[in-house]
Amino acid sequence: DTGVSQNPRHKITKRGQNVTFRCDPISEHNRLYWYRQTLGQGPEFLTYFQNEAQLEKSRLLSDRFSAERPKGSFSTLEIQRTEQGDSAMYLCASSSGLLPDTQYFGPGTRLTVL
Amino acid sequence: LAKTTQPISMDSYEGQEVNITCSHNNIATNDYITWYQQFPSQGPRFIIQGYKTKVTNEVASLFIPADRKSSTLSLPRVSLSDTAVYYCLVGDTSNNNDMRFGAGTRLTVKP
Repeated sequence: DTGVSQNPRHKITKRGQNVTFRCDPISEHNRLYWYRQTLGQGPEFLTYFQNEAQLEKSRLLSDRFSAERPKGSFSTLEIQRTEQGDSAMYLCASSSGLLPDTQYFGPGTRLTVL
Repeated sequence: LAKTTQPISMDSYEGQEVNITCSHNNIATNDYITWYQQFPSQGPRFIIQGYKTKVTNEVASLFIPADRKSSTLSLPRVSLSDTAVYYCLVGDTSNNNDMRFGAGTRLTVKP
């Protein structure tokens, strides 16, 4: 069990550019989550996958955000036309779905939009 | 969704036992209580999870009274490295999009 991994760990981009983050969940975890965290706040839920199906999206996930989980393994989160307000830590978590279920988080990707 | 209330911050000294209480008055029958620890620039780390009474693992204990309207995370003999933000979450784990983080409790351990 190597834990949840996220790449890159840091990303600096200019406003208007597109960025993509990758999350590799714990192997055999069929649930995967994306969160966003800004300074001083707790993580905010963005979206949730059960295998390859995206089951819920938060209202925080504007149409500039898209997430995929092809083949139910790794996931990508893309932000198009980035804005300065997108600067945050983007966290990925996975869980097995066995009850009581527990989410395990990755180290996050810190995005800075200049 | 069961809303949680925690103290914003707490201070302690090395070697002391720290108890952080979380209120969740409208907890539902299927809800579990989960605590996470988060260090700066890292993802939250799972500490402990419980449904009722007492749960203990190698790092903490979780006390849940019979009415389940609150819970207390107990950290024995804290060290400087326990300085972190601690989050209490309450939700139905069969529906994991039900889990929501609050602002957490910022614990500062002093020498």
